[in-house]
Amino acid sequence: DADVTQTPRNRITKTGKRIMLECSQTKGHDRMYWYRQDPGLGLRLIYYSFDVKDINKGEISDGYSVSRQAQAKFSLSLESAIPNQTALYFCATSGRTGGFGPQHFGDGTRLSIL
Amino acid sequence: GQQVMQIPQYQHVQEGEDFTTYCNSSTTLSNIQWYKQRPGGHPVFLIQLVKSGEVKKQKRLTFQFGEAKKNSSLHITATQTTDVGTYFCAGPYNQGGKLIFGQGTELSVKP
Repeated sequence: DADVTQTPRNRITKTGKRIMLECSQTKGHDRMYWYRQDPGLGLRLIYYSFDVKDINKGEISDGYSVSRQAQAKFSLSLESAIPNQTALYFCATSGRTGGFGPQHFGDGTRLSIL
Repeated sequence: GQQVMQIPQYQHVQEGEDFTTYCNSSTTLSNIQWYKQRPGGHPVFLIQLVKSGEVKKQKRLTFQFGEAKKNSSLHITATQTTDVGTYFCAGPYNQGGKLIFGQGTELSVKP
């Protein structure tokens, strides 16, 4: 079983729709992250959370919101999807507090907005 | 703002040739991490370097961290088709517990 699970794996939707991407983890990590990946741009951080009561914006948070429902769950929402949000989205977790431990990624959600 | 630049963006090699990707930061890094993403897959952590001038090896992969802790490299000796994928470096962003990733180097290996 995957330690970091993302659902759905693929989603096609229309402009203006509200979309939620979900991430759950069984690693017991406190830190969770949402990234988007676009060709040639690497991984860009959208939001991150260091515990249930901590939510922080990343470098490209506009148009996105998140919810940390529990230590193990971190969801990403697009309130009104637009075509330039078409991308591959990754959730990641990290367990090192006060330092920079390795990040563990889910399999990704491929999102297409028409 | 803080940036992590990676070159080249693409590298095509014949199987058995060597490969190197370079990572440069606009600021001094406390550490640097390397990840590999296979086609259709997700990034997987390879290694973390912490010390100035550090060199670490994993079989045919050699990782270096520069003396000034602003650059790093990954060298693969005698590439194999299993090395295909995109290699990312990543460094801490403003010491805030999050990473900034380079754009990645996509490696293709011709048998």
